[in-house]
Amino acid sequence: DAGVTQSPTHLIKTRGQQVTLRCSPKSGHDTVSWYQQALGQGPQFIFQYYEEEERQRGNFPDRFSGHQFPNYSSELNVNALLLGDSALYLCASSVTGGLNTEAFFGQGTRLTVV
Amino acid sequence: KNQVEQSPQSLIILEGKNCTLQCNYTVSPFSNLRWYKQDTGRGPVSLTIMTFSENTKSNGRYTATLDADTKQSSLHITASQLSDSASYICVVVPQTGFQKLVFGTGTRLLVSP
Repeated sequence: DAGVTQSPTHLIKTRGQQVTLRCSPKSGHDTVSWYQQALGQGPQFIFQYYEEEERQRGNFPDRFSGHQFPNYSSELNVNALLLGDSALYLCASSVTGGLNTEAFFGQGTRLTVV
Repeated sequence: KNQVEQSPQSLIILEGKNCTLQCNYTVSPFSNLRWYKQDTGRGPVSLTIMTFSENTKSNGRYTATLDADTKQSSLHITASQLSDSASYICVVVPQTGFQKLVFGTGTRLLVSP
């Protein structure tokens, strides 16, 4: 079992550009959540996807959007990049229906906006 | 104000010593409280998960405690090892029906030889 995999691991983009990050959940998991972690800070919840729909969203602007595919993999899209979007983006997968089930994280994508 | 506050921000201890990290939270009602270990530049890894009805949970040299009345939790690390050097993050899951994790800012632990 490969666990949660994210791609790419590192990315450098220019201000104003658009970026797409990808996540493959752990086998058997159907829920994917995305988090943004600025340097020295704890992760902040962006949104969660289940059954190909966004079912909960954190305090992030509409520039942040996502998608979940039938195989449960997910993408995070960020438009009109700002310098402040530079962060480690984490994907976590879990099984729906259980608040107490463990969430597994990927290694993250380090996004640098210049 | 962050809903999950951790202390200390950073800590340096000698290899073999014990340490205790603190977490205070205001998230309410909550479903469970977790402690994660995060190595620099890596994703968090779960250490313990405690529901609101549990007082303590152990995972090897890691022991977490929870006092739901005072909204406090602690993580005790016994006989520290160099590999314990990492950030330790307290996470609370609200009782919203969705598994949305609310993270603290973490305690950065350095175990020195």
